[in-house]
Amino acid sequence: QVQLVESGGGVVQPGRSLRLSCAVSGFTFSGYTMYWVRQAPGKGLGWVAGISYEGSNKYYAESVEGRFAISRDNSKNMLYLQMNSLRVEDTAVYYCARVEVGYSSRGMDVWGQGTTVTVSS
Amino acid sequence: DIQLTQSPSFLSASVGDRVTITCRASQGISSYLVWYQQKPGKAPKLLIYAASTLQSGVPSRFSGSGSGTEFTLTISSLQPEDFATYYCQQLNSYPLTFGGGTKVEIK
Repeated sequence: QVQLVESGGGVVQPGRSLRLSCAVSGFTFSGYTMYWVRQAPGKGLGWVAGISYEGSNKYYAESVEGRFAISRDNSKNMLYLQMNSLRVEDTAVYYCARVEVGYSSRGMDVWGQGTTVTVSS
Repeated sequence: DIQLTQSPSFLSASVGDRVTITCRASQGISSYLVWYQQKPGKAPKLLIYAASTLQSGVPSRFSGSGSGTEFTLTISSLQPEDFATYYCQQLNSYPLTFGGGTKVEIK
């Protein structure tokens, strides 16, 4: 079945790095634009980053531009988020989600279960 | 950046009530507007896409309307399982943005 499974979350000190992974299965990965969305404790949803189906185009929220890097490996069906220079305000549950290429109006139809990142000294 | 303003942010309603949530965009986004439902500790679930199309498997009591800058999500008869937080999102342009959310609670 269609599945997105995030991993790599944990507790990290401010200024340190963390790499999140999202393993996908059950669909043709290269047919989808992929995204990371986060949710701080008790807060709403926030878009973090997106990557085109072949990986050549990357998009970032202003709050993470220059610190985070999104990437994908279509041969391994994997999505990644490299997070550097982490700040306390990056503390959140991080979700990966998909949007079918050419059908952005259809929204993010499948989401992972989320992985928790806590940035604290 | 396109701002999405959802109202109300909190709504108290009873089972069987008709509920309407509004999402206003700071500039025109055609029909690139979707609605999600989120329950505590769970990932968001897509309800409506392209402003008014019901996602497969979503009950018909949910409906969406609007285009341009004003959109609505309507639940025709609120059921116990509908108590949750609802978010709108625009996919018209980057950065993608979400509304602030509407929490629907039991009266």
